[in-house]
This record gives sequence, C-alpha cells and structure tokens, in this order.
Amino acid sequence: TQLLEQSPQFLSIQEGENLTVYCNSSSVFSSLQWYRQEPGEGPVLLVTVVTGGEVKKLKRLTFQFGDARKDSSLHITAAQPGDTGLYLCAGASGAGSYQLTFGKGTKLSVIP
Amino acid sequence: GAVVSQHPSRVICKSGTSVKIECRSLDFQATTMFWYRQFPKQSLMLMATSNEGSKATYEQGVEKDKFLINHASLTLSTLTVTSAHPEDSSFYICSAREDPFEYFGPGTRLTVT
Repeated sequence: TQLLEQSPQFLSIQEGENLTVYCNSSSVFSSLQWYRQEPGEGPVLLVTVVTGGEVKKLKRLTFQFGDARKDSSLHITAAQPGDTGLYLCAGASGAGSYQLTFGKGTKLSVIP
Repeated sequence: GAVVSQHPSRVICKSGTSVKIECRSLDFQATTMFWYRQFPKQSLMLMATSNEGSKATYEQGVEKDKFLINHASLTLSTLTVTSAHPEDSSFYICSAREDPFEYFGPGTRLTVT
C-alpha cells in the first residue's frame, strides 16, 4: 500500500508570511497532484507534476516534484486570507492504475 | 477545466432507507469515475472505481452490496447507499478522469438519522 505523509497537519499564519507544505512517500509516483478543498466542497485541482525535479508556479504558489518522484512540496509566498483551506496532495502510481493515493491534508488558516 | 457535478448536494434520510447519489461529467466523457468518502477533518478515502459498462472495483473493506455503483453511460455514475445507517453519514465525493487529470465533484453530504 502506497502512503503519502503530509506535513504539517495544521498551519496557522499571519497574512503576508510564507509557508511550505510537504508531501513525502517511500513509493515512487508517476505523477503527483495538489488540490485545495474548502469546507463542504470537492477538491479543486491546483497542479499536476510529472517529471522528477519539476517546478511549477501558479501565481504565488510554487510546486516542486522531487528528483526521485517520491516527494513534493508546495510553497506559498505572501499568504493571503483567500489561501485558507485544506491542501491535499495525491499521487498516481501509473502502470495502468488510475487510482490516486491521498495524503491526510494540511489545514491552512491565514489570519488577516 | 472539466466540470463534474453531483446531485443532490445534501440529503437527509432515515435509517434503513436507500439513497442514490448521481455523478455527472458535464463537458467530457469519462470511462472511469471514482467514489470517495470523507469524514470530518480527514482526507479522502477511495471507496470504489466505477468503470463504464462493467462492474465497479471496490476497495478493501467496502461492502459492494451496501454501496451499489452503476456506470451506465460515459457521463453518469451513480452510488446507491442501501439500508443506510447513521455510521454511513459522511461526505461522498465523486471524480471523473479525463487523462491525465482527475476532476472532482462538489460532494454530497449524507446524514442518516
């Protein structure tokens, strides 16, 4: 069974601060996706990373896929209250399997 | 991005009754859809993989006779919770795959009284 460990589990920061969320596994993933979920809603895809060492930027969000494709990080610069939500990483094992393995999520609160 | 809808968004039912939840891909066809359950403050747990035109594949520990899945067309999958009990109360989320991405529905909050 593939496991994804996400850290930290909870994060409360002031508006304007930077933060990094980590997603680690002992397994190799063919791709890794990051989602943001708000209460009572389904997850919304932020980005998919596929290549080891890949870095993708989405405005103030920077996503990195580890060289060995076992870990990933999400860095948010100058966090805003609108960034508040549950951030989930999910890995796909590939090899014909479409199933995603989800991390437990990071609950981010950005205080104005 | 692609849009996935779920209906209903919220449902309250009495213990022992059955509830059907629909998942639709609105602007694309999905041969594979997934059903997840999410308990409060927890992550998504995959329940089953729904394959159009064939039987669903259930994850270990998920009762296939209790959670009936039908994927009759390329844009619709349904999950029926049969003989619901209070412990089945949860947030049920479906997703549909449009390679290489997986798009999620908005979820259905089921409360069994």
